[in-house]
Amino acid sequence: AQSVTQLGSHVSVSEGALVLLRCNYSSSVPPYLFWYVQYPNQGLQLLLKYTTGATLVKGINGFEAEFKKSETSFHLTKPSAHMSDAAEYFCAAVNTGGFKTIFGAGTRLFVKA
Amino acid sequence: GAGVSQSPSNKVTEKGKDVELRCDPISGHTALYWYRQSLGQGLEFLIYFQGNSAPDKSGLPSDRFSAERTGGSVSTLTIQRTQQEDSAVYLCASSLVAEEVETQYFGPGTRLLVL
Repeated sequence: AQSVTQLGSHVSVSEGALVLLRCNYSSSVPPYLFWYVQYPNQGLQLLLKYTTGATLVKGINGFEAEFKKSETSFHLTKPSAHMSDAAEYFCAAVNTGGFKTIFGAGTRLFVKA
Repeated sequence: GAGVSQSPSNKVTEKGKDVELRCDPISGHTALYWYRQSLGQGLEFLIYFQGNSAPDKSGLPSDRFSAERTGGSVSTLTIQRTQQEDSAVYLCASSLVAEEVETQYFGPGTRLLVL
């Protein structure tokens, strides 16, 4: 069964520093991959998704993620963190031909001034 | 336009009581999903609807959980004889169609506390 692993339940960076949030999936057949962000007391919002084609996907708010089949990874990055990026981030996967979205446990990002 | 709305936003109930959680999807979205987010855990898929039918109910945790959708719009998640372990945030999402690549739009959730 598909599983999604996010390394690090909490990540802390300084404002202006690189943000790197890690995500790995388990299936041998690459799924469709998503990153969502959840701000306090709000619903999840899609940041970006990978379906087919270019492996480097650009999303909203300056985030991007790269799909690496050889590493079964879909890490999320942002070159320069902003205070407003503080939130919880979820990586998710959907197997091709399926509808069940499997979410990782989430990574809470803290941004220090 | 209006997003996904859920009601109530918070619900406190006593163990053994039944609760109903409501989800109002984005107008025109044919697919609707329910998830549960427990403290310190990720989101757990519960059920999805394509129109009024639910092809996959395997995510429902027990037979105390049921969901229905009428008129291809509003959905209700019902938990009977609530238990303390049912305490969680219940999230609803909708998408234009039920396809794997479709973006799901999430509501703010219903926070359920079972005492």
